[in-house]
Amino acid sequence: ETGVTQTPRHLVMGMTNKKSLKCEQHLGHNAMYWYKQSAKKPLELMFVYNFKEQTENNSVPSRFSPECPNSSHLFLHLHTLQPEDSALYLCASSPRVGQPQHFGDGTRLSIL
Amino acid sequence: GQNIDQPTEMTATEGAIVQINCTYQTSGFNGLFWYQQHAGEAPTFLSYNVLDGLEEKGRFSSFLSRSKGYSYLLLKELQMKDSASYLCAVRAHYSGAGSYQLTFGKGTKLSVIP
Repeated sequence: ETGVTQTPRHLVMGMTNKKSLKCEQHLGHNAMYWYKQSAKKPLELMFVYNFKEQTENNSVPSRFSPECPNSSHLFLHLHTLQPEDSALYLCASSPRVGQPQHFGDGTRLSIL
Repeated sequence: GQNIDQPTEMTATEGAIVQINCTYQTSGFNGLFWYQQHAGEAPTFLSYNVLDGLEEKGRFSSFLSRSKGYSYLLLKELQMKDSASYLCAVRAHYSGAGSYQLTFGKGTKLSVIP
């Protein structure tokens, strides 16, 4: 139990599907993050939310749409994805932006 | 931009000591983190350095030299369970963004053998 829970753990979807990834943290943190982890590549920061407000969007394509309804929940809405989007998507949280992050176990996404 | 380098793979023997190096080039440097990630699991926080010197935490120690853009993670008395990827991450402050950003290296896959 890491304190950061991601669902689903695995997702297979077609390029025309719409799906959402969910992240929930029970640590009382105020900052939440989405990362993409592909084979042979470093963890790539996608989005940062601080007190529910988006503070970073690292040039992520619009087919990825984040949502942060409150400090405990973070979603990543997916639509019209490409095969190169297949990766492990990790959610993380920290007390404040820039502090050590706690990661969830990730969602393994495969695009057919 | 930022550039972070660490070896791709390392192998060490159970009971030995191993040092995993990380070099970086960045502006607005504000700290360096080390994370451990076992295959198929989430990264877990190991250590954090913001000032020069050595931080010790049990079998793990981390060192930072800001002038050299260099850090290392030292693992002592290696155990089989230490086989994992070790990720170096640099925190930097960007005045335009108004916040800190964490950039990860590609990670070093450590294999501990009997």
